[in-house]
Amino acid sequence: AQKVTQAQTEISVVEKEDVTLDCVYETRDTTYYLFWYKQPPSGELVFLIRRNSFDEQNEISGRYSWNFQKSTSSFNFTITASQVVDSAVYFCALSEGAQKLVFGQGTRLTINP
Amino acid sequence: GAGVSQTPSNKVTEKGKYVELRCDPISGHTALYWYRQSLGQGPEFLIYFQGTGAADDSGLPNDRFFAVRPEGSVSTLKIQRTERGDSAVYLCASSLGQGHGYTFGSGTWLTVV
Repeated sequence: AQKVTQAQTEISVVEKEDVTLDCVYETRDTTYYLFWYKQPPSGELVFLIRRNSFDEQNEISGRYSWNFQKSTSSFNFTITASQVVDSAVYFCALSEGAQKLVFGQGTRLTINP
Repeated sequence: GAGVSQTPSNKVTEKGKYVELRCDPISGHTALYWYRQSLGQGPEFLIYFQGTGAADDSGLPNDRFFAVRPEGSVSTLKIQRTERGDSAVYLCASSLGQGHGYTFGSGTWLTVV
């Protein structure tokens, strides 16, 4: 069965600090997709990244970077030089093919000025 | 439309009543998903449509929940004999299918009193 674990329920840091959000997943499939979504207070889920299981290259997009390691079934998300606008709940999710997304419980990130 | 549209944005209903929640996906997206998000939790899968048919309804909690997508575009989630435990945000997402990302709507906040 698929499962996504985000062990960090809440994280609070001071602006400009770097912060890493952890995500560990379980799946029996060899082909799958991993996602990160941001949910600001407005409630809408904002897509950040999708990574397929055959692409282990790390990715950087501005202040955001993702570290995908199949050996440890992890897909961690790092925000460098955090800003107050980064405050939100962040969800890691897993899907197999075009099927349903399985979400983690989310990590509430608070960036204090 | 440009995004996934969900109506109403908020719905308050009395216990035992029937409600319908509507989702208008991105034009051309063949896959449509319904999720339910309770306070402090990650979204949980309810049902997935590919075209007009329900490809996976394994997430529907019981037979009070039903969803349709008669013309392969707009979908309606129907809840009969609502209970207080049904209170949650109901999220809709659409996708072009396998290997593509999911775009979420803003959700319908359902409160059963």
